[in-house]
Amino acid sequence: EAGVAQSPRYKIIEKRQSVAFWCNPISGHATLYWYQQILGQGPKLLIQFQNNGVVDDSQLPKDRFSAERLKGVDSTLKIQPAKLEDSAVYLCASSLGLAGSEGNEQFFGPGTRLTVL
Amino acid sequence: DAKTTQPPSMDCAEGRAANLPCNHSTISGNEYVYWYRQIHSQGPQYIIHGLKNNETNEMASLIITEDRKSSTLILPHATLRDTAVYYCIVRVAPHLSQAAGNKLTFGGGTRVLVKP
Repeated sequence: EAGVAQSPRYKIIEKRQSVAFWCNPISGHATLYWYQQILGQGPKLLIQFQNNGVVDDSQLPKDRFSAERLKGVDSTLKIQPAKLEDSAVYLCASSLGLAGSEGNEQFFGPGTRLTVL
Repeated sequence: DAKTTQPPSMDCAEGRAANLPCNHSTISGNEYVYWYRQIHSQGPQYIIHGLKNNETNEMASLIITEDRKSSTLILPHATLRDTAVYYCIVRVAPHLSQAAGNKLTFGGGTRVLVKP
């Protein structure tokens, strides 16, 4: 079974530029997550989708970050304009999303490492 | 979700058991204990979860105290590939709280170094 795919793996941009990350979840997974992981810290949830609807975006800096999952499958996360403090690894994860599943563990992609200069 | 406390780092010897502690003194009755690990340059990986009974799978064992205020993840025979950051997370099980309950709140974790 293929895992969660993310691209690009690395990205270097200058501050005030824009950047986009792409994620393709495991086939059949209804729930998709974007996390931000700053160096030395644990991942922090930015946004959670259930199919193509947003479930939780309470920690997404909406003035500069946006995300979409138009067809309920793959997703893009955009930053515009980027700031120095956005340097981090951006992780995408997916889960079955079934309410009746006790485990419902999340499967993570390898992440995109963003460096803002 | 209840807060967890883990030691920032620990070393263990290859081939020996690694015992990773986690304190979660404010855990509530419907919250489970989950463990994930993150190997360098990879995304986190699910290991195991439990409510109140001890659990074992092919990766590890989870021992939860009777009062549920702490737990221990046991890697029975640590290998060099087990070097990673291990996260203990407490949260309401997804089947009890709709899709939003699947949120994972990561702390700092324990950085485990397995030495030859």
